[in-house]
Amino acid sequence: VLTQSPGTLSLSPGERATLSCRASQRVSSNYLAWYQHKPGQALRLLIYGASSRATGIPDRFSGSGSGTDFTLTISRLEPEDFAVYYCQQYGSSPLTFGPGTKVDIK
Amino acid sequence: EVQLLDSGGGMVQPGGSLRLSCAASGFTFSSYGMSWVRQAPGKGLEWVSAISGTGGSTYYADSVKGRFTISRDNSKNTLYLQMNSLSAEDTAVYHCARRGNSFVLDYWGQGILVTVSS
Repeated sequence: VLTQSPGTLSLSPGERATLSCRASQRVSSNYLAWYQHKPGQALRLLIYGASSRATGIPDRFSGSGSGTDFTLTISRLEPEDFAVYYCQQYGSSPLTFGPGTKVDIK
Repeated sequence: EVQLLDSGGGMVQPGGSLRLSCAASGFTFSSYGMSWVRQAPGKGLEWVSAISGTGGSTYYADSVKGRFTISRDNSKNTLYLQMNSLSAEDTAVYHCARRGNSFVLDYWGQGILVTVSS
């Protein structure tokens, strides 16, 4: 089971966002991904392998952590970053997702 | 550019059937495993099913095993999900997704709504 906190993060553009994902068991091979989701759009892969940025993802997005505790950091929020963020483990079957953190404009 | 276009959703009565399609472009379709993931209204994301690049291996969540069938036609670059014996609990937006070289689901379709209701 993946748990994300906080459920909602209210911030202003330019601020730093820190999102947490905690697994109830160790994530195998640190196969932990982060996705961004906006209404009506496809999910966008941001981070895989806990800390590797996906193709085309700006370097303001960074991932860290290992084992059971992982973090997504957005260094300076841009207007287009306000969305829901999900973590997902793909190290064991079945794939599972966290409940999401909504980052909204303060 | 990788593109995945979901289609085939709609409203169906309980006990009915529906087939979803996912048209892929921008990559060598047969070289990649594919998955379906769904999100019920107000709920989280749930992995539903996966298939290998050749179609020879398939995997299902316990919640859909025996009712849903994943398949693919590599000559048409299309992924399918045949859904039978549908119930209200299957109401969700269904997304197809590509399993990338790093095993992560790296590209997703925009999702298609399936509503099971009488």
